[in-house]
Amino acid sequence: GAVVSQHPSRVICKSGTSVKIECRSLDFQATTMFWYRQFPKQSLMLMATSNEGSKATYEQGVEKDKFLINHASLTLSTLTVTSAHPEDSSFYICSAPIGSTNEKLFFGSGTQLSVL
Amino acid sequence: GDSVTQMEGPVTLSEEAFLTINCTYTATGYPSLFWYVQYPGEGLQLLLKATKADDKGSNKGFEATYRKETTSFHLEKGSVQVSDSAVYFCALTLSGGYNKLIFGAGTRLAVHP
Repeated sequence: GAVVSQHPSRVICKSGTSVKIECRSLDFQATTMFWYRQFPKQSLMLMATSNEGSKATYEQGVEKDKFLINHASLTLSTLTVTSAHPEDSSFYICSAPIGSTNEKLFFGSGTQLSVL
Repeated sequence: GDSVTQMEGPVTLSEEAFLTINCTYTATGYPSLFWYVQYPGEGLQLLLKATKADDKGSNKGFEATYRKETTSFHLEKGSVQVSDSAVYFCALTLSGGYNKLIFGAGTRLAVHP
């Protein structure tokens, strides 16, 4: 079946540094990818929709200058957490659809970001 | 607003025990309901779904019934296996589009031999 690869699975960084998370569709093309964030004991929340060749669409309350999304090809979307702070520590997951139904939504395995 | 509430884990069971993971929702319309599962080191994958009241979704021995009167979609399995150890997410969507999935916090299940 289709696979979405997310890297790294875990990252620890110092406050003030930037961290890049990659999301790749390995055997299909994805013009759209989704980025989610989950704080401990809270719901998995949609942050933004990444669109190949155009600007990402951010959900209300998500800072676009802090969470830079680049979807430069049909198989790769990146999320860069700029000037990370401890409050950005969270679990980040990407997903990519094939078609328009939920049965064809494939998720990466997630990235646990810890900012010291 | 629309939301999903799941029972807090972890849930720890012995093999062959009966499983229930509670899920309730709040929605302004008539949502479709889903259970996703995330096995260790893997991405979330759709386990089952129900699109209208009284529908029962089922897959791999798991079942969940869409109960409009109690706004619930509890996940059940009669006899769990060690391989069922995973994190289970309840979710809903109102628009039918995948970009509007609303998830619960997830419930970790650990099954011991």
